[in-house]
Amino acid sequence: GDSVTQMEGPVTLSEEAFLTINCTYTATGYPSLFWYVQYPGEGLQLLLKATKADDKGSNKGFEATYRKETTSFHLEKGSVQVSDSAVYFCALRNNQGGKLIFGQGTELSVKP
Amino acid sequence: EAGVAQSPRYKIIEKRQSVAFWCNPISGHATLYWYQQILGQGPKLLIQFQNNGVVDDSQLPKDRFSAERLKGVDSTLKIQPAKLEDSAVYLCASSLEPNTEAFFGQGTRLTVV
Repeated sequence: GDSVTQMEGPVTLSEEAFLTINCTYTATGYPSLFWYVQYPGEGLQLLLKATKADDKGSNKGFEATYRKETTSFHLEKGSVQVSDSAVYFCALRNNQGGKLIFGQGTELSVKP
Repeated sequence: EAGVAQSPRYKIIEKRQSVAFWCNPISGHATLYWYQQILGQGPKLLIQFQNNGVVDDSQLPKDRFSAERLKGVDSTLKIQPAKLEDSAVYLCASSLEPNTEAFFGQGTRLTVV
C-alpha cells in the first residue's frame, strides 16, 4: 500500500542554519504531496504542496520539489529561525480519494 | 473564518470505559475526516465522511469505535470500551471536497489508564 517515510528526529539546529528533512514515498499512480507543520499546542497546518512531478511547493521560506524519479519530496529552508521549531509531517494523497497518508513526523528544534 | 472545532481538548478515562469526541467542521465543508495520532507517529485515517455518508472506514476498529455525522455537519467519534492502546490524539479535519485542502482541528488528547 501507499506509504511515506521521513528522516527520524529530533533535528537540532542553530538559528540561520540550513535545513533539510528527507521524505520518500511509495504510491501507485501520481499522488499529490504535502508538508504539514504542527507547532506546539496547535493543530496541523498545511505548509506547502505539489501536485505533479517537478512541481516546487514553497511557503514561508520553505521549499520542496516533487521528484518522481527518486520518489522524494525533501523539505528545505535556507535559514531557520527559532520560530520554526515544530514537528513536520510529509504526506501524500492519492487523487482518487481524500485520505492523507502521513510519515511519522520529524521534530525540529532551533536554538538561538 | 472559524476553523475546525473539537471538544474536549483533553480526556482521561479508565480502560473499559466509554468516551465520545465531538467535531464541528468549517461551514460548507462536505468532507470530514477523523484521524488517530499515536505518540511518535503520523496521523492515521480512521474514517472519512462525504456529507453524512461514509466514504472510507477501512481502518476503523469497528468492534469498539463508531462515528456518525447525522446531518452532514458536525460529527461524533465514540470508543466503547476503551483500551490502553487507544491513548492518542484524535484529530478532526474537514475540506470542501475530497481532493481539496484539509483543515485540521487542535485535536482531543485521550489518555486511557
